[in-house]
Amino acid sequence: DAGVIQSPRHEVTEMGQEVTLRCKPISGHDYLFWYRQTMMRGLELLIYFNNNVPIDDSGMPEDRFSAKMPNASFSTLKIQPSEPRDSAVYFCASSSRGGGEQYFGPGTRLTVT
Amino acid sequence: AQKITQTQPGMFVQEKEAVTLDCTYDTSDQSYGLFWYKQPSSGEMIFLIYQGSYDEQNATEGRYSLNFQKARKSANLVISASQLGDSAMYFCAMRDRGSTLGRLYFGRGTQLTVWP
Repeated sequence: DAGVIQSPRHEVTEMGQEVTLRCKPISGHDYLFWYRQTMMRGLELLIYFNNNVPIDDSGMPEDRFSAKMPNASFSTLKIQPSEPRDSAVYFCASSSRGGGEQYFGPGTRLTVT
Repeated sequence: AQKITQTQPGMFVQEKEAVTLDCTYDTSDQSYGLFWYKQPSSGEMIFLIYQGSYDEQNATEGRYSLNFQKARKSANLVISASQLGDSAMYFCAMRDRGSTLGRLYFGRGTQLTVWP
């Protein structure tokens, strides 16, 4: 079975550019999570969805970040405009039940120069 | 206050030995769940084991077991017969009802190094 799929795996962009990260959750999973991992702050939850509806976006750092889930098999995390401090690994994860184990994608390593 | 505390930034163990990775948690809920994840150097996060607060038995999954001590609010991961491939970062996580249902709180992790 395919796990969580993320693209791109690596992204290098210049400050001020728009960045879009993509995620396909495991089929049948109703929960989708976006995380950011840095050395300084560890693993941070940015936002999560249940049945395509955003439930908790309190971790989204600022208005430059937005996330959508137009259908059960696709989600995007957009940063516009990007800044060097956004450099991190961004993970998408999905789960079949609230509070259950989450299965992570391989992550997108974002570098903003 | 931190929900999950992992006090060991790094641990070392010799191959074939057992190792315990510490995790303490903070919640006032009666119903909660505890998780352990492994993150090798390749970067992916791998789910290892789960323990529910009402589970009477400690969870086990192959060489992984969770030493759950409710009164002490600890959920230590025990890896038996360590292998070189166990070298990785290990994260403890918890979900409770004090937050919006669904999210997990992660600790800062423990870097485990297995040497031959």
